[in-house]
Amino acid sequence: QVQLVESGGDAVQPGRSLRLSCAASAFSFSTFAMHWVRQAPGKGLEWVAGVSYNGGNTYFADSVKGRFFISRDNSKNTLYLHMNSLTVEDTAVYYCARGPGISGYFDYWGQGTLVTVSS
Amino acid sequence: EIVLTQSPGTLSLSPVERATVSCRASQSVSRSYLAWYQQKAGQAPRLLIYGASTRATGIPDRFSGSGSGTDFSLTISRPQPEDSAVYYCQQYGSSPITFGQGTRLEIK
Repeated sequence: QVQLVESGGDAVQPGRSLRLSCAASAFSFSTFAMHWVRQAPGKGLEWVAGVSYNGGNTYFADSVKGRFFISRDNSKNTLYLHMNSLTVEDTAVYYCARGPGISGYFDYWGQGTLVTVSS
Repeated sequence: EIVLTQSPGTLSLSPVERATVSCRASQSVSRSYLAWYQQKAGQAPRLLIYGASTRATGIPDRFSGSGSGTDFSLTISRPQPEDSAVYYCQQYGSSPITFGQGTRLEIK
C-alpha cells in the first residue's frame, strides 16, 4: 500500500525557516514526480511546489517562489520542502502528494503536517 | 493562471437525489486535464476523477465526471451518507496547477 508520511511541522516565528520531510514507501519513489500542497485553516487547497522524478526540474507557486525550495533524496525515498522567510500566510497543513507527472493530478496523499507561523 | 470557480458552494441532498458539482475555468483547460478530489473532515484529499472523466482506482461507479474546455462537472448518483465531504476540482493542463475553492456536500 502506497504510504506518504510527512514530518517536520512546527510552530515558528515569522522570518524563521523550517524543513518538512515526506517519507515514501511501497512504490518506486524514484520514478514519480512529487509535490507539496497546502491548506490554510478552514480554507481550500493550494499547490505549493513540485519536483520531477530525478530532481532535475522544480516548480513553485508564485506565493512561495524564492523562499521555498523542494528537493528529494531518491536513495532515502524522501521528499523535502525547505521553507525560508516564513510569514503568517504560510500557516497551513502541508501535504505531500504523488503525481504521475511534474504537472499532473495527485493520486496519493500523505496525512499532512501542520506549520504554524505566529509571533 | 487558470481560475477555477465551483458551484454551488454548498449542496444539501437526500440519498435519492443526484448531486452535481460544477467547475468553470477562466480559460480552456488543455487536454481536459481536470481532476476531482473528495476531502472528508480531518482527512487528506482523495483522488476521484482525472482526465475529466476517468475514475481513479477503487472509486465507486456512482461517481462520474464530464466536460471539456471551460465547463466540467462531477456527478454523484445515489449519494450515500459517507459521501458527505468537500469536493475540489483541479486543473493540471497549465502552470501553475490550480484548485477550485471547494463545494461542501451534505447528504441528509
